[in-house]
Amino acid sequence: KQEVTQIPAALSVPEGENLVLNCSFTDSAIYNLQWFRQDPGKGLTSLLLIQSSQREQTSGRLNASLDKSSGRSTLYIAASQPGDSATYLCAASFGNEKLTFGTGTRLTIIP
Amino acid sequence: NAGVMQNPRHLVRRRGQEARLRCSPMKGHSHVYWYRQLPEEGLKFMVYLQKENIIDESGMPKERFSAEFPKEGPSILRIQQVVRGDSAAYFCASSQTSGVSILGEQFFGPGTRLTVL
Repeated sequence: KQEVTQIPAALSVPEGENLVLNCSFTDSAIYNLQWFRQDPGKGLTSLLLIQSSQREQTSGRLNASLDKSSGRSTLYIAASQPGDSATYLCAASFGNEKLTFGTGTRLTIIP
Repeated sequence: NAGVMQNPRHLVRRRGQEARLRCSPMKGHSHVYWYRQLPEEGLKFMVYLQKENIIDESGMPKERFSAEFPKEGPSILRIQQVVRGDSAAYFCASSQTSGVSILGEQFFGPGTRLTVL
């Protein structure tokens, strides 16, 4: 069964610190992996997409990596800000079009 | 550049009524996906459509739920005879293509929050 897991479910970090969010998946035959941000009561904002042939993607203070052999992806956030507080979701495509989502990590940046 | 649009944003229905949720994909996108987010749970895939075709409905409940994406107009997710367990946020996403390429990136709408009384 293809599953995506995110641990921890919640994380609190002081403002200004760098942090890493984790995502693991059970099937190495992954097509691509997307990281999203979801604010309370809102929709999903796509942050980064990593294709299976890539190892990492960067956008501003965000860097996402993909290691198919170990079944892991990480989202690195540099110099965290209170505005980064949100739930972060990772989702994988396993050879078909649908995305399989993790349950998310709720991030709180403490001013 | 308008993003994915969904309406209504909030919908309240009584048990037994019908709910119709609409999704207009981004301009140039011909692939539409519906996902459901139950309270305190992750997003679950429901259905994938292209114009006039249902490609994958493996996540759709077998009864009461249907989806369409006509040649003209928005995609519609229809829930007949709603029950309290249908209360959830329903998200629509669209992509330019499917599969491996970067053009398969899915962009999400703001969601429709359905409450069944």
